[in-house]
Amino acid sequence: GQSLEQPSEVTAVEGAIVQINCTYQTSGFYGLSWYQQHDGGAPTFLSYNALDGLEETGRFSSFLSRSDSYGYLLLQELQMKDSASYFCAVSLPYGGSQGNLIFGKGTKLSVKP
Amino acid sequence: EAQVTQNPRYLITVTGKKLTVTCSQNMNHEYMSWYRQDPGLGLRQIYYSMNVEVTDKGDVPEGYKVSRKEKRNFPLILESPSPNQTSLYFCASSAHHGTSYEQYFGPGTRLTVT
Repeated sequence: GQSLEQPSEVTAVEGAIVQINCTYQTSGFYGLSWYQQHDGGAPTFLSYNALDGLEETGRFSSFLSRSDSYGYLLLQELQMKDSASYFCAVSLPYGGSQGNLIFGKGTKLSVKP
Repeated sequence: EAQVTQNPRYLITVTGKKLTVTCSQNMNHEYMSWYRQDPGLGLRQIYYSMNVEVTDKGDVPEGYKVSRKEKRNFPLILESPSPNQTSLYFCASSAHHGTSYEQYFGPGTRLTVT
């Protein structure tokens, strides 16, 4: 079936830049999304890449390369409030056996002072 | 305020006792979906709905039912809950507009089945 792989944990210091990678074993998907989830909270949408390349939204950027089956989320000027779990997800056509949105298992980012 | 609401937020029940978790959105979204989140497994889709009366299975639909009689509501039904359905459940909705698939999540329902 379809699957996405992310590192389980990443640690970085305040003010630094961190990249969270997402590799996938899937095809025929519409796009790659990223969500942030703080402990005890609900996931919130960060970005979506329908096409290859870089999408920038403030301190966050997301990248997709379909030829390399790879994407990443780049967080710049890290702040303590960025400590959270980050999930990548692929949007699939309706009617597939695994549903139409598959998430990776998430990367827990810890930002240290 | 644009939001997705879920009720109840916390529920402890016993095996076999039917329950319903409600989900409602006030954004006139066509698409709604249910997920369960378990430690180390991320979010897994249970069911989704493209519009009223149109529902489809996600990755882990066994033991669950849904209905979409109105655009704003998408209840999740557990006819005979079992302990392996103990989990954190999220409802989400989105509008289809071009290339964006931004989903808005509800606050979550923590279910314990004993």
